[in-house]
This record gives sequence, structure tokens and C-alpha cells, in this order.
Amino acid sequence: GENVEQHPSTLSVQEGDSAVIKCTYSDSASNYFPWYKQELGKRPQLIIDIRSNVGEKKDQRIAVTLNKTAKHFSLHITETQPEDSAVYFCAARYGFGNEKLTFGTGTRLTIIP
Amino acid sequence: NAGVMQNPRHLVRRRGQEARLRCSPMKGHSHVYWYRQLPEEGLKFMVYLQKENIIDESGMPKERFSAEFPKEGPSILRIQQVVRGDSAAYFCASSATGDYGYTFGSGTRLTVV
Repeated sequence: GENVEQHPSTLSVQEGDSAVIKCTYSDSASNYFPWYKQELGKRPQLIIDIRSNVGEKKDQRIAVTLNKTAKHFSLHITETQPEDSAVYFCAARYGFGNEKLTFGTGTRLTIIP
Repeated sequence: NAGVMQNPRHLVRRRGQEARLRCSPMKGHSHVYWYRQLPEEGLKFMVYLQKENIIDESGMPKERFSAEFPKEGPSILRIQQVVRGDSAAYFCASSATGDYGYTFGSGTRLTVV
């Protein structure tokens, strides 16, 4: 089955700086890669996703890049703000909708004011 | 749309008791997924159900755990004879047919004393 590794497990950055979180996946057939943000005590929420036919996707301060050859994808957050502090999870899935997502172990991001 | 509704939010059970966790998917969603999150850990897939069918239970422990999603009513995750190691947050997510992403509920935090 799919295996997703995520690094780093913790990350602290100064407010205004950029943060990068990286994930690798094992199943070359995986074709969907979402990122979820989970604030303390709350539900995971989808913040951005990318499909395997696209190399990069951007939404305001957040971007995701995908390298299918190397089987890794990354989350980039620019101009970080205190409200970006949370745990971020990457995930991967093979299929065309509705199959299970396999999640990485999470990155705790702390923005230092 | 009320979103994915889980109840109870918090559940305390003594060792050996049964725990029943409920999940009502978003309106129009017929696919339900259950995940377990241990403290400071990632989201571990347990089971994927559609109405009246278990599609994938590859993450479900073989004993004491069961899940259902009846024709009418919420999906139920049932844990019999709970042990301390079952203490965790249990998240339910739902999706519509053909959707790529999930919407998560707020979770049930189970504490076994």
C-alpha cells in the first residue's frame, strides 16, 4: 500500500519568513496530493491540493509543488503570519475519487512573532 | 449545510465498556471514512464505507472494532471492551461520489479510564 513520509516534524520560522514542508510517497500510481491544516483541538481542514497532471498550484500565500519523477511534493507558505501556526498534514491517493487517503505524520509549524 | 457532524465530542469509558461513535456525513455525501489520531501523531486510516457497504477496512483492528453505515441514520464506529490504548481522537470524514477531497468532522475524543 501507499506510504507517505513527511519532514520536518517540527518547524519554527520568524513571522514574515517562508516555510517549506516536504513529503515523499511510495506508490508511483498515486495521482492526488492534498494538504490539511489542523489547529489545536480542531478538525483537519483542506487548504490546497494538486493532481498528478499539474506540477505546481498556488493560492495566495500557499503553493504546492509536485515532482512525479522523484515522488515528492512540497507545501510552501510565504509571508508567514501567527495564524499559520498549526499542524500540517500531507496525503496521497491513487484513484479517481473516493478511495482512502494516506496521511503523513504531520509537521508542527510555529510562527515566531 | 451543517457539515460533517460527529457525536459525542468527548466520551469517557471505563476499561471493558463499549464505545459508540456517530458520524453524520454532509448532505449529499455517501462516502464515509474513519481515522484515528493518537496524541502527537498523524491520521491513521481505519475504514471506508458507503451506504450499507464496507468498501475498505484494511486499517481496522481485527478484534473489538466494527463499523457500519446503514441505509438510514449515521455511520457508527463501535469499540467493544475498550482498553487504555484505545484512547485517541476519532475523526470521520465524508465525500460525494467523484470528489477528490474529504470534509472532516470535529472528532470524538475517547478517553478510557
